[in-house]
Parts: sequence; C-alpha cells; structure tokens
Amino acid sequence: KAGVTQTPRYLIKTRGQQVTLSCSPISGHRSVSWYQQTPGQGLQFLFEYFSETQRNKGNFPGRFSGRQFSNSRSEMNVSTLELGDSALYLCASSYDQDIYNEQFFGPGTRLTVL
Amino acid sequence: ELKVEQNPLFLSMQEGKNYTIYCNYSTTSDRLYWYRQDPGKSLESLFVLLSNGAVKQEGRLMASLDTKARLSTLHITAAVHDLSATYFCAVDGNDYKLSFGAGTTVTVRA
Repeated sequence: KAGVTQTPRYLIKTRGQQVTLSCSPISGHRSVSWYQQTPGQGLQFLFEYFSETQRNKGNFPGRFSGRQFSNSRSEMNVSTLELGDSALYLCASSYDQDIYNEQFFGPGTRLTVL
Repeated sequence: ELKVEQNPLFLSMQEGKNYTIYCNYSTTSDRLYWYRQDPGKSLESLFVLLSNGAVKQEGRLMASLDTKARLSTLHITAAVHDLSATYFCAVDGNDYKLSFGAGTTVTVRA
C-alpha cells in the first residue's frame, strides 16, 4: 500500500508570494490533516479535512487555507508569504473509522521563504 | 486547550543502559501516540495507546499509558545507536487534531 505523498518536496519562495502544497493520502483514508513544524514552535496543527469538510482549524492567520477534493487529495495554500512561514509542512492521513485513528505522515514539504 | 509536556527534551544515552521519556497531558483523551523522527525525515508511528493500563512493546521500546495520571512513558531498554532520533508523544483531544509534545532528542553514545 502506497504511503502518504506530498508534492513538491522542496520549495523556495520570496516574501509576498503565495504557495500551494499538495497531499495525496493513503488509499481508503478520508481524513487529511496538515501540520507545520519549526524549530521554535514544534509541531502545530493547521487544519483537518474529512470528506471535503474542514472539521477543525488551528490558530493560524487567514493567509493559511486548505481544501480537500472528492478523491480525498488535499491542498493547502499560503498567501503573502512571510519569513516566519519557513517550515516543514507535514500532511497526515487516517482512516478515521476505527478506534485507533492512527495518523500516517507524509515526507513533508520543506518551504523556505527568502 | 490541551497541553502536552514531554521530558526530558534532550537525552544522552549510554549504549546498553535503560532510560525513560515522560509525556504528561492536561485533559482527558482516548488516544495517545508515540512517533519517531530522524533528522530531515518525517514522523514514523511507533505506538498507539488506547486505554488505561495499555502497554505496548516493540523491540527495545515499550510504551505505557496511565489515563488517570494523564501520563505516558516510553521506556528504552539497553540503548543502541540506531535508536538515536527525536521522539514525540501526541494526544488526540477528540477534536480531529493531535497535540504534540516538544519532542525528546535522543543521542546514544558508545
């Protein structure tokens, strides 16, 4: 079974630009979550989608948005990039229909904002 | 808001000795997870702990959960070099998200 895939793996952008990151969950998984990882703040929750509906959103500014498609693939968008947005962005998928609700993480997208 | 505290944040282990990482959390939860992260890599799932008294073991790692104390431990037996990594605990707050601890960076020395 293929794992969670994320594209692109690396991105370099400049301040003020926008970026779109993509995540394909494990086949059969309908829940997709996004996390931001930085050395200073650690792992922080961005948002979670299930069947194209956002069920929770973390404490991030409105510049951070996401969506999920009918095939469970998800994208997140960051507009008007700031230096502080440089981070590893991790996507996780889960089946969400069992008691374990185990989340499996993709390899991440490393975003550098210059 | 659910708070998750891990300690220690850094752990220098001597090969062959035993160590424990602690994870405390602030509110009731049904599920707790342990993950491992190697430098520059993603998170690898180690354990899912569901109920009070749950204990799981894989190789040199053993995780346990005490829901009354809101405490999980990750015990490392006879440390070896390939256990060097950062270990995270994460708690499911029953709100469709995981709250992570700060992570424990483990270095195993000869």
